[in-house]
Amino acid sequence: QKEVEQNSGPLSVPEGAIASLNCTYSDRVSQSFFWYRQYSGKSPELIMSIYSNGDKEDGRFTAQLNKASQYVSLLIRDSQPSDSATYLCAVWGYSGGGADGLTFGKGTHLIIQP
Amino acid sequence: KAGVTQTPRYLIKTRGQQVTLSCSPISGHRSVSWYQQTPGQGLQFLFEYFSETQRNKGNFPGRFSGRQFSNSRSEMNVSTLELGDSALYLCASSPRDSHSGTGELFFGEGSRLTVL
Repeated sequence: QKEVEQNSGPLSVPEGAIASLNCTYSDRVSQSFFWYRQYSGKSPELIMSIYSNGDKEDGRFTAQLNKASQYVSLLIRDSQPSDSATYLCAVWGYSGGGADGLTFGKGTHLIIQP
Repeated sequence: KAGVTQTPRYLIKTRGQQVTLSCSPISGHRSVSWYQQTPGQGLQFLFEYFSETQRNKGNFPGRFSGRQFSNSRSEMNVSTLELGDSALYLCASSPRDSHSGTGELFFGEGSRLTVL
């Protein structure tokens, strides 16, 4: 069974700095990786996806994937108070029974201090 | 375009009862997944339906079941409720099934179930 590990935080970052969120996963056959953001009392929303090793940038967000180390990260540049939320790492892949549903980590609570 | 709609939003049940939750996906989305979210366990996958067929099932007991209708609307049922079933149940729809690996899920606001 896949496991996705994240530091629960809270991770406190001053406004304007870079927030770095990390995630490790246990299953080497995992193929697709995602970052979801969940504001308090709201449902998760997809903010980044990454499928191959390296970096993927989208605006202030950069996702990094290292399959050899089974490691995914999310960098948020120029952090804003509106970035304060819980960030969920999610992993998808095949197992013996076929394609699985997404496996989520428990999330990292990020606080951007004005 | 309307988002994913879940009903009811809140409900309270007692142990031993059963509950049915409903989900209407985004128009045109044929894949519906259900997740349970609790503070201790986070988001846990329950099952996925695509074109009325269950594609995947998570590690939950048989008391948890679901189905999908021809209009892609989905329901999940929990029988013989236990205190530990208290959670936020989230439905998510996607234009593609899980085999595509895209992982792009659009979540509803959830149904918060309290079991007393």
